[in-house]
Amino acid sequence: SQQGEEDPQALSIQEGENATMNCSYKTSINNLQWYRQNSGRGLVHLILIRSNEREKHSGRLRVTLDTSKKSSSLLITASRAADTASYFCATDEGNAGNMLTFGGGTRLMVKP
Amino acid sequence: GAGVSQSPRYKVAKRGQDVALRCDPISGHVSLFWYQQALGQGPEFLTYFQNEAQLDKSGLPSDRFFAERPEGSVSTLKIQRTQQEDSAVYLCASSRQGGRYEQYFGPGTRLTVT
Repeated sequence: SQQGEEDPQALSIQEGENATMNCSYKTSINNLQWYRQNSGRGLVHLILIRSNEREKHSGRLRVTLDTSKKSSSLLITASRAADTASYFCATDEGNAGNMLTFGGGTRLMVKP
Repeated sequence: GAGVSQSPRYKVAKRGQDVALRCDPISGHVSLFWYQQALGQGPEFLTYFQNEAQLDKSGLPSDRFFAERPEGSVSTLKIQRTQQEDSAVYLCASSRQGGRYEQYFGPGTRLTVT
């Protein structure tokens, strides 16, 4: 079973616009990670945010975490056509630090 | 350095055949994970190794699925008597030590059972 829900399931924007994806989860966590997956490819790690962090930046990516609401958001600024991919959040469910539990993903399309 | 590699990239098996999927993790990574990803869904955990020890196999869907990592490096996921519902992408990931660190994924093996 999957831990989280990504919202929206699909998002279509124009190049240059910002894209915001949300993730909700159910259990306590140690950290939350965001991954990108291009069609037919493996997952690429984007960013890890720990449970005691509220916000993290990496280039055009900004991730927030609200543990009281069990939710996270991923913001991609100034999107590019190359950002077209599926984006997944994943949590460790606070266990000993083993498996990741993924949401169903947001499919982002950036139109040139 | 080299990332996680998996082979074969694509596998077509007739129902009832056995298959073996290989994963070469990043050198020095202690933890190795297998996930199954159905079309249009997120990956789902199958099993986890720390070095050669299989510490969690709770996600294996049936006793037809078996994984090993005998020397704490390369891992093989074996599926016996494949069924159509086994069709999926099988992803391998490795990390320095457990899920508290980033997991680095291989390209996956797409298994199609006909």
